[in-house]
Amino acid sequence: EDQVTQSPEALRLQEGESSSLNCSYTVSGLRGLFWYRQDPGKGPEFLFTLYSAGEEKEKERLKATLTKKESFLHITAPKPEDSATYLCAVQAGNQGGKLIFGQGTELSVKP
Amino acid sequence: EAGVTQFPSHSVIEKGQTVTLRCDPISGHDNLYWYRRVMGKEIKFLLHFVKESKQDESGMPNNRFLAERTGGTYSTLKVQPAELEDSGVYFCASSPSRQAMGGYTFGSGTRLTVV
Repeated sequence: EDQVTQSPEALRLQEGESSSLNCSYTVSGLRGLFWYRQDPGKGPEFLFTLYSAGEEKEKERLKATLTKKESFLHITAPKPEDSATYLCAVQAGNQGGKLIFGQGTELSVKP
Repeated sequence: EAGVTQFPSHSVIEKGQTVTLRCDPISGHDNLYWYRRVMGKEIKFLLHFVKESKQDESGMPNNRFLAERTGGTYSTLKVQPAELEDSGVYFCASSPSRQAMGGYTFGSGTRLTVV
């Protein structure tokens, strides 16, 4: 069964304190792995898509990496405005366009 | 470019009543998805439209849920009759292609509370 597990469930950081969020997955034929950011009361906002092991993508203070079993979202020198829930999702090769989500990591960055 | 619009943003109904949620995708996006997040759980897929056709409805919980997409534009999701376990946040997303290389665009969701 296709599955996505994110850890930790919650993460508290001080401003400037770098860290990483983990997304472990099992899927039949990975078509793509997605990272989204979700703010309270809003829908998920697309950040990155990764397609194959070894791929990396960056956006401002965020960097996403992918291996055959997991993905990491590295946050470098976070700011309070980076506080949000970060969601990981996979798209399986035999499952059409649907995404399978993890439960998310709630990130809080204190000034 | 206007985003994905969902309404109502909130709905509180009594058990046994009917509720209809609406989603207006980004203009020109043929693919439209419905997802749901119940309290404490992950976001789960409900169904996928390509234009007006249901491509995949494997995530629909039961036959109390009916989704339509008339003319391949906006979509509605009707719950009839609503049960307590239907409470949650219902998200709609759209994309120009199934593979969504740029990622889907999600709406802000409809928070449904069944009391």
